[in-house]
Amino acid sequence: GQNIDQPTEMTATEGAIVQINCTYQTSGFNGLFWYQQHAGEAPTFLSYNVLDGLEEKGRFSSFLSRSKGYSYLLLKELQMKDSASYLCAVKDSNYQLIWGAGTKLIIKP
Amino acid sequence: NAGVTQTPKFRILKIGQSMTLQCTQDMNHNYMYWYRQDPGMGLKLIYYSVGAGITDKGEVPNGYNVSRSTTEDFPLRLELAAPSQTSVYFCASTNTEGGQPQHFGDGTRLSIL
Repeated sequence: GQNIDQPTEMTATEGAIVQINCTYQTSGFNGLFWYQQHAGEAPTFLSYNVLDGLEEKGRFSSFLSRSKGYSYLLLKELQMKDSASYLCAVKDSNYQLIWGAGTKLIIKP
Repeated sequence: NAGVTQTPKFRILKIGQSMTLQCTQDMNHNYMYWYRQDPGMGLKLIYYSVGAGITDKGEVPNGYNVSRSTTEDFPLRLELAAPSQTSVYFCASTNTEGGQPQHFGDGTRLSIL
């Protein structure tokens, strides 16, 4: 079967750095997405990786290793507004997104 | 820009009732999707469409139906509501199968009592 694993919850301090990991086992691979979802709101797009390596976008970076079935999202200079769930999703061989359950990130002052 | 618009935002149904969740997008996207999100779970694909007149089942289609008569609209129909269908429903759209992200509506929070 297809499976995406992320930690359920993480806690970090304002101003610090946090890394959210995602491992996947899917039938085929056509890219990996990270989305942010604030409580009671819709997911919003953060990043996309299809080749191995690091993609940087401001305070957020995302890394992919296809051979290891592994990605991480790196958040720097954490702000209180970064408190949200972070969803990892993989596009499989049918070009459908398979979603992880999400990682709830709690930022403390 | 409106993007993806879903109505209603909230609804309470009795067991056995039926209803239609509306979704419309103004970005001229070919691909549209319906997901449900249960607490602590990932998004589950219910149905999707790759263009007007073309729909296909996702991972959890039982109890639902869809239609796609125009590029803009992709309604989701619940025929006989059951408590297991209590969830948050999201509609999304995108314009390619590749690296373009899916854009989401604000969701419909549905309770079946």
